[in-house]
Amino acid sequence: SQQGEEDPQALSIQEGENATMNCSYKTSINNLQWYRQNSGRGLVHLILIRSNEREKHSGRLRVTLDTSKKSSSLLITASRAADTASYFCATDASSGSRLTFGEGTQLTVNP
Amino acid sequence: GAGVSQTPSNKVTEKGKYVELRCDPISGHTALYWYRQSLGQGPEFLIYFQGTGAADDSGLPNDRFFAVRPEGSVSTLKIQRTERGDSAVYLCASSSGQGDSPLHFGNGTRLTVT
Repeated sequence: SQQGEEDPQALSIQEGENATMNCSYKTSINNLQWYRQNSGRGLVHLILIRSNEREKHSGRLRVTLDTSKKSSSLLITASRAADTASYFCATDASSGSRLTFGEGTQLTVNP
Repeated sequence: GAGVSQTPSNKVTEKGKYVELRCDPISGHTALYWYRQSLGQGPEFLIYFQGTGAADDSGLPNDRFFAVRPEGSVSTLKIQRTERGDSAVYLCASSSGQGDSPLHFGNGTRLTVT
């Protein structure tokens, strides 16, 4: 069964707007990662946040983690049409163990 | 090569046949993962290798599925007596196996069982 659940399932915005995607999970984690997948391609790693971190930035990406609520959010600022893709959160229970992925959020950025 | 390579990219087979899916990980990556992804869903874990041995095979759905990595590099996922429900994209990923190193995915093999 999937550990993570993303919300919303689909999101459509205009270029330049910000996009926020949320992820909830059920069990204790070592870290939480976000991946992106373009149609017909493999997943690409975006950012990792450890269980003892609350916020992390990478370029236009901002990730937050609230372990008390077992939730994370991914914010993409100043979105571009090229950001159109599916976004997945993934968790692992311990370092080096398997990653469990959520169902994903399909983001569409309209030019 | 520069990335994870999976072959074939597409495979169509008849119900009941045997198939093999190949994964070439990034050179030097000790950890290798197989996932299965159905349309509109997230990747579902199948099996994870650390070196030559399967560190976690708890995601294999039944005994028709088997994977090997005999020399700690290339891996083959084998499916016997295929069923229509096996149709999916099979994704392979590798990582350095160090700490919290991210997974690097191939583009997958799309398996269609008719």
